[in-house]
Amino acid sequence: EAGVAQSPRYKIIEKRQSVAFWCNPISGHATLYWYQQILGQGPKLLIQFQNNGVVDDSQLPKDRFSAERLKGVDSTLKIQPAKLEDSAVYLCASSLVRGPYGYTFGSGTRLTVV
Amino acid sequence: KNEVEQSPQNLTAQEGEFITINCSYSVGISALHWLQQHPGGGIVSLFMLSSGKKKHGRLIATINIQEKHSSLHITASHPRDSAVYICAFLGGSGGGADGLTFGKGTHLIIQP
Repeated sequence: EAGVAQSPRYKIIEKRQSVAFWCNPISGHATLYWYQQILGQGPKLLIQFQNNGVVDDSQLPKDRFSAERLKGVDSTLKIQPAKLEDSAVYLCASSLVRGPYGYTFGSGTRLTVV
Repeated sequence: KNEVEQSPQNLTAQEGEFITINCSYSVGISALHWLQQHPGGGIVSLFMLSSGKKKHGRLIATINIQEKHSSLHITASHPRDSAVYICAFLGGSGGGADGLTFGKGTHLIIQP
């Protein structure tokens, strides 16, 4: 089966610019996660979707970050405006059901804010 | 306070050596994941285990739920095993409702 697809692979932007990341989960996976991984740290959950509804966005910096999954399939994560500390790898993961089963990760988008 | 601690943080070994990576956690969990992350960001799930031991090829993972400890072993290590190995569990302060809380990872380098 195809894996979790993410694009772009790399992005370099200046601070205060906007950026958007795209994720296409594995077909049929109802649960989708966005994680932020800062260099040298483990990933941190930003937002979790169940179909097109948000389950948890408690760690999403809502003043600058937004995410949507309008049709319950693809998802986009946006940062506006970007700060230097947003430089990180943004990982998308999906799972068939909620809970600790069958997590599959995408390759991530490496964002550098200069 | 870190809910999950991995050791060592960095490990360099020679090809063929037996490798052990440890993970200790402070909260009650039902299952723990071992993940492999190669340079460039891609994460691969190696194991999910809730008790005992699992083996896949040269990789062995063990967990003791009561002692809140898990280990990942690599037998006959090879340079292609060089990666970051991360333990993670469901929930925790970093995981939210169903997300995973991750350790900081162990950076493993196997030299030929």
